[in-house]
Order: sequence, then C-alpha cells, then structure tokens
Amino acid sequence: QVQLVESGGGVVQPGGSLTLSCAASGFTFSSFGMHWVRQAPGRGLEWVAFIWDEVSNKDYADSVKGRFTVSRDKNTLYLQMNRLRADDTAVYYCARDINYVVDLWGQGALVTVSS
Amino acid sequence: EIVMTQTPLSSPVTLGQPASISCRSGQSLVHSDGNTYLSWYHQRPGQPPRLLLYKVSNRFSGVPDRFSGSGAGTDFTLKISRVEAEDVGVYYCMQATQMPWTFGQGTKVEVK
Repeated sequence: QVQLVESGGGVVQPGGSLTLSCAASGFTFSSFGMHWVRQAPGRGLEWVAFIWDEVSNKDYADSVKGRFTVSRDKNTLYLQMNRLRADDTAVYYCARDINYVVDLWGQGALVTVSS
Repeated sequence: EIVMTQTPLSSPVTLGQPASISCRSGQSLVHSDGNTYLSWYHQRPGQPPRLLLYKVSNRFSGVPDRFSGSGAGTDFTLKISRVEAEDVGVYYCMQATQMPWTFGQGTKVEVK
C-alpha cells in the first residue's frame, strides 16, 4: 500500500526542539523528492521544506530557514525543528513530489508550541 | 516569492449546479522548461489535501470528469460542472514553478 505516515508530533515549549518522521511505504522512496507542508489551525497551507537527496538540493521557506533541517534515509523523511516559536504551531504534512506535483500526502502530525 | 490569489474565498453552491474558482499568480507560472506547474487540491475537514488537477488542466487518477482546469500565464480557473455533496471543503491552487512553492488562501465551497 502506497502511503506516508508521520510521527513525532506533540507539545513543546517555545525555544524547544522536536523531530518529525515520515515513514514511506509501497513505493521506491529514493526516486522521489519529498516536501514538508504545514497548516496552522484554521489556516491555509504553507510549504516548509524540500529535499531531493542528502548530498544536495534542499530548500526551505524563509520562515524556517536556519531553524529547521530536512533529511532522509532509506525509507524515512525527517524534519528537525529547533528554536520553535508559537507561530510554528501547525499540522505538518509530509508529501511526495512527482515532477513538481504533490501527488501523495501523509495524514499529518500536530505540533503545538506552548508554555 | 510568487503570491497566489484566489477568488472567491467562500462559495455557497446549490447541489447539481456549477461552481468556479479563480486563481491568479503574481507573475507568470511558465517554467523555463515550458511547462506551467499549477495544481489544484481539495481538502475536507480533518483530512490532508488531495490532488485534483496538475499542470493546469490534467486530472489526477480517479478524479471525476466534472472537475476541469484552464488558464495560462497568470490566470487560472477550476470548474466543477455539477457540484455533488462530496465536493464541499476547501480548494487550494498551488504553484511549483518557482521556489518557494506557494498556495492560494483557499476557497471554501459549501452547500447553500
């Protein structure tokens, strides 16, 4: 079954850190670029980060640059989030990229930044 | 950053009637490779987005043919020929021509 499953969400204090994981199955993970997209409560979608491979080709939204790091290994996508702020509170989706199109989304992981 | 502007933000519709959503980009979405990377997504409450159309007018696998997309350059339209109950939710356009990828604000389609 082709799917993406996020984990690692939770409540964290401002200034804290959290790492999200996204387990891919049912397809050749290494053949696809991968994204993180987030959605604050009651708000729209915001692209966060992209990775093609570990050696090169990563990109970040300005709002997270220098604080978030995207990485991947054999079948898992990660998002290391540092210096978290209240406005990082959102559902974080991992998403598969096929030629500039996101065709597969995970169910999402909720990250709440609050004291 | 390319700003994506959708109109309307809310669209009350009657079941069986058509609906249309406009998406305008702040600059041309024609990529250097000649393609226009404009996609449409549908999101129901509590669910992840679902791909409907890609490269302006190509329906994704399993998407009913009542959904169609058109446009070029900076102006794009999603049309639903006859709205069904399962079509309610929020629709987003998204550009992938230039990093950072950006989304429209979303258009909420609800039954009158």
